[in-house]
Amino acid sequence: DQQVKQNSPSLSVQEGRISILNCDYTNSMFDYFLWYKKYPAEGPTFLISISSIKDKNEDGRFTVFLNKSAKHLSLHIVPSQPGDSAVYFCAASAMGDAGKSTFGDGTTLTVKP
Amino acid sequence: EAGVTQFPSHSVIEKGQTVTLRCDPISGHDNLYWYRRVMGKEIKFLLHFVKESKQDESGMPNNRFLAERTGGTYSTLKVQPAELEDSGVYFCASSQVSVYNGQFFGPGTRLTVL
Repeated sequence: DQQVKQNSPSLSVQEGRISILNCDYTNSMFDYFLWYKKYPAEGPTFLISISSIKDKNEDGRFTVFLNKSAKHLSLHIVPSQPGDSAVYFCAASAMGDAGKSTFGDGTTLTVKP
Repeated sequence: EAGVTQFPSHSVIEKGQTVTLRCDPISGHDNLYWYRRVMGKEIKFLLHFVKESKQDESGMPNNRFLAERTGGTYSTLKVQPAELEDSGVYFCASSQVSVYNGQFFGPGTRLTVL
């Protein structure tokens, strides 16, 4: 049973528009959430994170929103750029189990010029 | 600063053979993790070292997998004997503190078992 789900395998947006990537989780023990970006033939790269005590974290063009009651988080990229085209993974960790992250399947984002 | 490196980048072996994957973490990172991604699905946790000690090996699939981290530096992951379902991309990651600050991933080793 997958505890972190990214239900959209792919997303295509126009350059300059907003990209919204979604993630749902089932384990209520998760208290820290991370987004990673992955280019082909490379490992995932940490992008942004959010603690469960917050509902929003912003870093430049990237903002992560957390809705604990819905067990849902989203990553907003605005404005989207062609270089943002990659696979985006949502990951979650639980306090006391901080040694590992549970990942989703990933969403492939394509930003068209 | 050098990133996490993994060797080999690709490995093709036959069922029943043995393969050893190597990971060199970022210097000074006490935490080292192994993950696996199979068939483009989720990246699954295998195990976590803190220095040379196994902190959590709950994700190891079975006893055909053996991970070591001698001296708390590089780590090896041995699969013996390899089975078809072991095919996938094996990622190593390291971090200075816990995952709360994000992990640094290597490029992965693509393992194909025929």
